[in-house]
Amino acid sequence: AQSVTQPDIHITVSEGASLELRCNYSYGATPYLFWYVQSPGQGLQLLLKYFSGDTLVQGIKGFEAEFKRSQSSFNLRKPSVHWSDAAEYFCAVGGQAGTALIFGKGTTLSVSS
Amino acid sequence: GAVVSQHPSRVICKSGTSVKIECRSLDFQATTMFWYRQFPKQSLMLMATSNEGSKATYEQGVEKDKFLINHASLTLSTLTVTSAHPEDSSFYICSADLLAGVAETQYFGPGTRLLVL
Repeated sequence: AQSVTQPDIHITVSEGASLELRCNYSYGATPYLFWYVQSPGQGLQLLLKYFSGDTLVQGIKGFEAEFKRSQSSFNLRKPSVHWSDAAEYFCAVGGQAGTALIFGKGTTLSVSS
Repeated sequence: GAVVSQHPSRVICKSGTSVKIECRSLDFQATTMFWYRQFPKQSLMLMATSNEGSKATYEQGVEKDKFLINHASLTLSTLTVTSAHPEDSSFYICSADLLAGVAETQYFGPGTRLLVL
C-alpha cells in the first residue's frame, strides 16, 4: 500500500532552535518526495522536492531535507527556527507525471519565544 | 514561478444550491489538474483527477454526480458542488501538474472555503 507517515502530530520548538520533522513513505515505484507548508486558511506552498541525484535537497526559507532510501524517509530540517515558521507541514509522495500526490496527515509546528 | 489561482476564495451558500469553483494555472499549461478536499485539522484527500478534454477520474467514495468536474482548457478546471449540503462544507484545494523533465511538480491553489448553511 502506498502511504506517507508523519509520526509527530504536533511539535513545539523554541525560536532559534533546530527543527526536524519526520516523514516515512511506502511507495511501489520510484518516489518523488515533497514537503509543503500551509499557514492557517491558506493553500500549500512547496518548500522543496526530491526527484533524483543528491539526497540532501535545499529548499526555500532555509529548509532542507534528506532522502534516505534504506529508511524510506525524507525528514525535513531547519537549523534555526523563526516564529514565522509556525504552520502545518505536509510530506507527500508522488510518481510520474499525471499521478496525484499522497499526503501525510501533517505536523503542526508551534514556535515558542 | 508557477502560479495557480482559485476563485472564489470563500463562499457561503444555502443548502440545496450549487457552487462552482474555478482553478486556473496562470503562467503554464496543465494537462492534469487535481481536486483535493481538506477537513479542519486534517490532511488533503484526493477527490478526483481532471484531464483536459476527457472525463475526470474520481476516487472511491466521491460521488461524480455531486462533484462535477470540467477541464475545458489547459489552464482551467472547474469543480461544481451540486445540491450542496452542510456536510459538503470544507476547504477545497486544486493543484496543477507542471511537467519538468521526467518528473512533475504539483502547484497548489490557495484553496476555496465552502460553507453550506
